[in-house]
Amino acid sequence: DADVTQTPRNRITKTGKRIMLECSQTKGHDRMYWYRQDPGLGLRLIYYSFDVKDINKGEISDGYSVSRQAQAKFSLSLESAIPNQTALYFCATSDSSSGAEGYTFGSGTRLTVV
Amino acid sequence: KQEVTQIPAALSVPEGENLVLNCSFTDSAIYNLQWFRQDPGKGLTSLLLIQSSQREQTSGRLNASLDKSSGRSTLYIAASQPGDSATYLCAASKSGNQFYFGTGTSLTVIP
Repeated sequence: DADVTQTPRNRITKTGKRIMLECSQTKGHDRMYWYRQDPGLGLRLIYYSFDVKDINKGEISDGYSVSRQAQAKFSLSLESAIPNQTALYFCATSDSSSGAEGYTFGSGTRLTVV
Repeated sequence: KQEVTQIPAALSVPEGENLVLNCSFTDSAIYNLQWFRQDPGKGLTSLLLIQSSQREQTSGRLNASLDKSSGRSTLYIAASQPGDSATYLCAASKSGNQFYFGTGTSLTVIP
């Protein structure tokens, strides 16, 4: 099993629908992140969480919300999806007790909003 | 905010050639710098992580260097192979928390 698992892998949804992307990890890392990737723009941080009780906005949090249900689970919700939220979404984890590992990424969720 | 730039955006080389990918960042007060590989439509695979106290890291045919004073990192790939074809991303962290990513260099190794 992958260290960081994202579900679903692909999703097509309609404008205005609420959708949730899920991320779970077996790394035992305390920190989790959600990024989106768009062609030519690189990866941009949406939200991050340093522990279960800590949630922080990233540079592009508008239109998104998150929930850290447990240390191993971090979900991203689009409250009312719009076409410009079509992108590749990545979850990542890191360990605050060690600077040596950097980020571990999931395989991504390709979201299309029509 | 840390700005990370990768030039060139695309690179094509014949198999067997040694090559260097460049990454520059605006804030020299970095904590970590990490190089990733991304295959089309796939996730990011970590290649090398350089902590701020280090100058370089090596793994197999890959060597990454870090020069904080000049705001640069390079990824050296020796004896390139077609399987090395992918997009290479660098990411710099100022505090060990959030990484800022470049837009990547798309590498094609021609057999």
